[in-house]
Amino acid sequence: EVVMTQSPATLSLSPGERATLSCRASQSVNSNLAWYQQKPGQAPRLLIYSASTRVTGISARFSGSGAGTEFTLTIASLQSEDFVVYFCQHYNTWPPAFGPGTKVDIK
Amino acid sequence: DVQLVESGGGLVKPGGSLRLSCAASGFTFRSYSMNWVRQAPGKGLEWVASITTSGTYTYYADSVKGRFTISRDNAKDSLYLQMNILRAEDTAMYYCARDYNNYDVLDAYDIWGQGTMVTVSS
Repeated sequence: EVVMTQSPATLSLSPGERATLSCRASQSVNSNLAWYQQKPGQAPRLLIYSASTRVTGISARFSGSGAGTEFTLTIASLQSEDFVVYFCQHYNTWPPAFGPGTKVDIK
Repeated sequence: DVQLVESGGGLVKPGGSLRLSCAASGFTFRSYSMNWVRQAPGKGLEWVASITTSGTYTYYADSVKGRFTISRDNAKDSLYLQMNILRAEDTAMYYCARDYNNYDVLDAYDIWGQGTMVTVSS
């Protein structure tokens, strides 16, 4: 089965800065990769699917890239509401799996 | 509004059973594969189980295989998770989630419920 890892575990940045979150798969998942945002006490929210396709209604400051085993979520200019946790998930083969998450906090 | 609402969580003793339900509204439930995902307190997300549109195919994480059963009733727009032989490590918030596309294949999850908490403790 495919194991997902994310780095860094915590990313400390200031509002307005650019955030770069990494996700790695233990074997190729093609472009079958999603990114979720989770705010405290809430369910996850889908941001990106197929590695780079933004869900309708998600701000253009969120972008995804990558294929195979290396993926990146970029937040162009951090807003106050972006300082939360982000998970990647592959859905290429059974079982699908999530990464451990990256917490973006205020520096 | 497209919505998923879970219910059925609670406190149960180790070895006990619980049945979770997820009521869907605002979309054609029978057209989408559905999933259960759990999150232990302060931890990450763990996929638990999936079921195809007609219920013909079901898939389980190794950690729950043989103990949990996912099912659905398309006439009632409802998804279920029967959990037996519960262990302390099953303690988590359980979310139901909808596949993004109605293709009956592996997919991202675009609609999530608010979750229902399951606590396994003596």
